[in-house]
Amino acid sequence: ETGVTQTPRHLVMGMTNKKSLKCEQHLGHNAMYWYKQSAKKPLELMFVYSLEERVENNSVPSRFSPECPNSSHLFLHLHTLQPEDSALYLCASSQDRDRGYEQYFGPGTRLTVT
Amino acid sequence: GQSLEQPSEVTAVEGAIVQINCTYQTSGFYGLSWYQQHDGGAPTFLSYNALDGLEETGRFSSFLSRSDSYGYLLLQELQMKDSASYFCAESMDSNYQLIWGAGTKLIIKP
Repeated sequence: ETGVTQTPRHLVMGMTNKKSLKCEQHLGHNAMYWYKQSAKKPLELMFVYSLEERVENNSVPSRFSPECPNSSHLFLHLHTLQPEDSALYLCASSQDRDRGYEQYFGPGTRLTVT
Repeated sequence: GQSLEQPSEVTAVEGAIVQINCTYQTSGFYGLSWYQQHDGGAPTFLSYNALDGLEETGRFSSFLSRSDSYGYLLLQELQMKDSASYFCAESMDSNYQLIWGAGTKLIIKP
């Protein structure tokens, strides 16, 4: 256990559905991250939040919408996704932005878009 | 854009030593991290190098040469539980945005 939890662990959704992924960290960290992991490809950084402020948005399509209501919780809202969005979505946290090289990951949500 | 290169797969024998190499782009380089990920699991942090030299943590060591834009992860006394994918990740300009390699799958044979 790394102190970062994600729900749900698995999600199957149609292209017209709306769903949300949830991440919670119990480490007292100030920075949180969303990543997309596809097979045989590098992890793709999607969003970074530091002290609840979004500091990075790596050209992610608008069908992905993040929300960080406080420093312990991070959401990824999904709507009208495409089949190529099927992947493992990982949440991570770090003590703060300056220690972003040491990130603690949740177990991920395996998303399948049909 | 920025990219890191590491071998896609390495095979070694239990009890042996294995080195996983990583080359990175130099523009804005800040430091190099290493992570381990077992199948079906989450990446876990192993080490970080910002300065040249070797950092040792138990059976695992990580090395960085900034002049060669190169680093490696050294795993000693390999155990079957070390079978996993290993990722190098580069910090650029600051530490919070990591650029990841595609990972090296380490296969350990008895």
